[in-house]
Amino acid sequence: AQKITQTQPGMFVQEKEAVTLDCTYDTSDPSYGLFWYKQPSSGEMIFLIYQGSYDQQNATEGRYSLNFQKARKSANLVISASQLGDSAMYFCAMREAEEDKLVFGAGTILRVKS
Amino acid sequence: DADVTQTPRNRITKTGKRIMLECSQTKGHDRMYWYRQDPGLGLRLIYYSFDVKDINKGEISDGYSVSRQAQAKFSLSLESAIPNQTALYFCATSVSHTTRATGELFFGEGSRLTVL
Repeated sequence: AQKITQTQPGMFVQEKEAVTLDCTYDTSDPSYGLFWYKQPSSGEMIFLIYQGSYDQQNATEGRYSLNFQKARKSANLVISASQLGDSAMYFCAMREAEEDKLVFGAGTILRVKS
Repeated sequence: DADVTQTPRNRITKTGKRIMLECSQTKGHDRMYWYRQDPGLGLRLIYYSFDVKDINKGEISDGYSVSRQAQAKFSLSLESAIPNQTALYFCATSVSHTTRATGELFFGEGSRLTVL
């Protein structure tokens, strides 16, 4: 079974609007971490945000927030006030405490329209 | 200068050739990883190492080998390259997850390998 599922191969959003990128995960480990990375067309991998399974509050980093719904096993990335520079591939990833290595989803390509 | 450096950045080779991708880091991290990225498949783990004497297979290790020459160096080898190993390869480093560190990965800039 896929450990990380990103069901949206591609998304479009209008500049200055908010967008949600979906991520669901599958684990039986009670201790895990969830990560989002951004990959612009230049290819580098940029860490955006982290959520631990025991964190009580949703993680936020500037315009990025993680909508963590533990019972539904979802960890959606919300980007507020989209900018043209947000156009990129976005990857969700999970690390289980027992495995202790990151497993990635297939990614979602986001295009911000002006 | 990049904290995680991969060489070469681009390489075109022929089927059957031996290829080595090198990774060095100045972050002082113990943990190093090799991933490959293919369109529609995300990043998949090839090998990882938690310290110099520790080497572990990832989900797609067949056809690859690694060497951890020092804490700062982790090389990936393709003994006999084949076309379906054409991909973008990433080296990454991390510290172990603690209450103070998320254990996020720090990536190199990637090595694009084409096998003809």
